[in-house]
Formats: sequence, structure tokens, C-alpha cells
Amino acid sequence: DVKVTQSSRYLVKRTGEKVFLECVQDMDHENMFWYRQDPGLGLRLIYFSYDVKMKEKGDIPEGYSVSREKKERFSLILESASTNQTSMYLCASSPGTSDYNEQFFGPGTRLTVL
Amino acid sequence: TQLLEQSPQFLSIQEGENLTVYCNSSSVFSSLQWYRQEPGEGPVLLVTVVTGGEVKKLKRLTFQFGDARKDSSLHITAAQPGDTGLYLCADPWGSNFGNEKLTFGTGTRLTIIP
Repeated sequence: DVKVTQSSRYLVKRTGEKVFLECVQDMDHENMFWYRQDPGLGLRLIYFSYDVKMKEKGDIPEGYSVSREKKERFSLILESASTNQTSMYLCASSPGTSDYNEQFFGPGTRLTVL
Repeated sequence: TQLLEQSPQFLSIQEGENLTVYCNSSSVFSSLQWYRQEPGEGPVLLVTVVTGGEVKKLKRLTFQFGDARKDSSLHITAAQPGDTGLYLCADPWGSNFGNEKLTFGTGTRLTIIP
């Protein structure tokens, strides 16, 4: 059974803290993605990676960075958390080997920044 | 990146009723995916439609792709409480084969009342 796991389901941090969100997939997928999901705004792409050590900015990369040192792991980093980064964060992966790639999502991390 | 509009934003109906939700764009889709997100989980792919006028059925769910490939609809027959969730349409795009990114609509939140 395919699986994308995220390190935490819920996280509470203080303004200014450095935050790491970890995502691991066990499907040997090439592509990995980070989204944030907010009511009324849908899912918005923050960053994606189509290979180890490769990354590209999505629609809303400001205030975030990412790291992909191993194929199965994609980390989202908030260098200095702010209250407007309170959101649901979803990680996804896709094979990258054929047309109409399905994206497989993790369960999400609900981050609250106080 | 094109904008995807979904309607209605919220829908609450009694078990056993039929319903239709819509996804529209000002631009032509190359293909379109429909995902369902249940509470506390990440989105899961339901179907991909590719050809204008295409109709796909998944048990009680019928997906239609507009002839001009600028709109799509999802019809549910005899809705059940298990159909409750957030329904998202998504437009795969990107320049590299197999490395498509997704632009999501804002979703239709469906509640089926027992």
C-alpha cells in the first residue's frame, strides 16, 4: 500500500521559531510537493522537487525553504515562523514517469503559530 | 497558472438525494483530475478525464468533461454519508513530461445528512 507520512499531525510553535516539517514517501517517487491549505483558498503549492537536491518554487514560496537530501524525504522549513503561516500543510508525491500523474498525499500537519 | 472555480462552495443534502458540483476555467484544460478529501486526511484521486465530452463512472459518481475542455462536473446519485468530504478539481500543468504540477480549485464541501 502506497504511503506518504508526515512527521506530526498537529504542531504549535511560537513566532520567530524555526520549524521543520518532514515528509517521507515509500513509493520511490521522483516528484515531491508541499502545499498549504486554507479555507476559501484551496491548496496552494509552496515548493516542489523532481529529483534529489532539486527544488523549484511554487506559487507561494516566500517565508519557506525546502530540502531534499534523499529521494524519499522532503522537508519544509519555516526559518522564522509567523502567525500568518498558521495553516494545514500537505505533502504529496507522484511517480514522474507517465502522463496524468496521480499525486499521493500525506494526512497533513496542522500548524499553529502563536 | 489558470484559475479554477468550483461551485457551489458548500452543499448540504439529505441521504438518498442526487447532486452535481462543477469546476470551471477560463482556459482550456489539457486534462482534469478530481480528488476527494475526507476530514483529517489528504486528498485522494477519484478520476482523471482527458478527452472533451468524456464521461467516466465510478459506482454512483459520474464525471463529465466539457466538450470544449473548459469545464467539468461531478454528479452523485443517491448520496450516502460516506460521500461527505471536500471535492477538489485539479489542473495538471508543467513543461516536463511526467513532472506535472497541480493547480487546485477551491473545492466544494459536501455534507450528506443521514
